[in-house]
Amino acid sequence: DVKVTQSSRYLVKRTGEKVFLECVQDMDHENMFWYRQDPGLGLRLIYFSYDVKMKEKGDIPEGYSVSREKKERFSLILESASTNQTSMYLCASRGRGQETQYFGPGTRLLVL
Amino acid sequence: QQPVQSPQAVILREGEDAVINCSSSKALYSVHWYRQKHGEAPVFLMILLKGGEQKGHEKISASFNEKKQQSSLYLTASQLSYSGTYFCGTEEGYSGGYQKVTFGIGTKLQVIP
Repeated sequence: DVKVTQSSRYLVKRTGEKVFLECVQDMDHENMFWYRQDPGLGLRLIYFSYDVKMKEKGDIPEGYSVSREKKERFSLILESASTNQTSMYLCASRGRGQETQYFGPGTRLLVL
Repeated sequence: QQPVQSPQAVILREGEDAVINCSSSKALYSVHWYRQKHGEAPVFLMILLKGGEQKGHEKISASFNEKKQQSSLYLTASQLSYSGTYFCGTEEGYSGGYQKVTFGIGTKLQVIP
């Protein structure tokens, strides 16, 4: 059974804190993605990675960075969290040439 | 650029049909459809590739008009289990290694008894 896991379901942080969101997949997928989901805005792509140590900006990369040191793990980093980064964060993975993108359960982040 | 979905919300009675539309201003390689139930992760329904095709999945099917860069998702004889938010995702091309999918804002579908 395919699996994408995220380190936390809920997270509360203070403005200015450095925040790490972790995502792990067990399917040996090359492609991994970070989206944020907000009401009325749908799923917006923050960053993605198509291989270890490779990363590409998505549509809304400002205020975020990523790290992919191992194939199975893709981390999203908020260097200095702000209240407008309060959101649901979804990680996804997809094998090269494959049709299905698998999503993790999401991390609901609240920045106070 | 996000694809445009319509309608944004729809309420159906069990057994009724619905159509959800997705359009893009870009030339598309493929269109994906996902469903997300409340509190859960989005789940893949189907993909339609360039070449214009129609696909079916139980009573849920979809078409892709390559000339218009439009896709439609058809839900027939709706069931309570169809309730959720439907997202279309578009790929503009497969750039030899990575496959970026851009999603629309979603269509919230509620099926009532």
